[in-house]
Amino acid sequence: DAGVTQSPTHLIKTRGQHVTLRCSPISGHKSVSWYQQVLGQGPQFIFQYYEKEERGRGNFPDRFSARQFPNYSSELNVNALLLGDSALYLCASSTHTDTQYFGPGTRLTVL
Amino acid sequence: GENVGLHLPTLSVQEGDNSIINCAYSNSASDYFIWYKQESGKGPQFIIDIRSNMDKRQGQRVTVLLNKTVKHLSLQIAATQPGDSAVYFCAENFGNEKLTFGTGTRLTIIP
Repeated sequence: DAGVTQSPTHLIKTRGQHVTLRCSPISGHKSVSWYQQVLGQGPQFIFQYYEKEERGRGNFPDRFSARQFPNYSSELNVNALLLGDSALYLCASSTHTDTQYFGPGTRLTVL
Repeated sequence: GENVGLHLPTLSVQEGDNSIINCAYSNSASDYFIWYKQESGKGPQFIIDIRSNMDKRQGQRVTVLLNKTVKHLSLQIAATQPGDSAVYFCAENFGNEKLTFGTGTRLTIIP
């Protein structure tokens, strides 16, 4: 069975640009969560979606937004990129109350 | 691959010995705890979980102990192997799907 997949693997952007990251959950999982992992730290929660509705949001500015599609895949959008947005962005999927399984992440570098 | 966790607590263990990784969690209301393993350049990989109504759970070569009195979690890895070298994170969940991660511990296996 395929695990959580994310695209792209790596991305380089410049300050002020916007970026869209994509995630496909494990088949049968209806919940997708997004995390940001800065080098040297544990992942920080950004968003959680279940059945296409936002169910939780972490302490991130409004420049960060996300959505979930009818097939349960998800996109994370970040506008007006800052240098500090450089990080590994992780997507995790789960059934509603079960363990979260992570994808390989998208490495975003903002120059 | 990238170097995850440049300034993390570290633990070096001889190959074949047992490893114990400790974690203090923050929220006494947390009811679900998970250990993840993260290798360089990869997303966190689920190892084992435990609910708050348990104090011990065993998997293949791994045991998680939970002490709710002092809000402490530990991961024991038996007969460590070179492939166990990674950064290990504990994560806590309190009633929703938001995971709060600890700072992580880098485990190095000495051949």
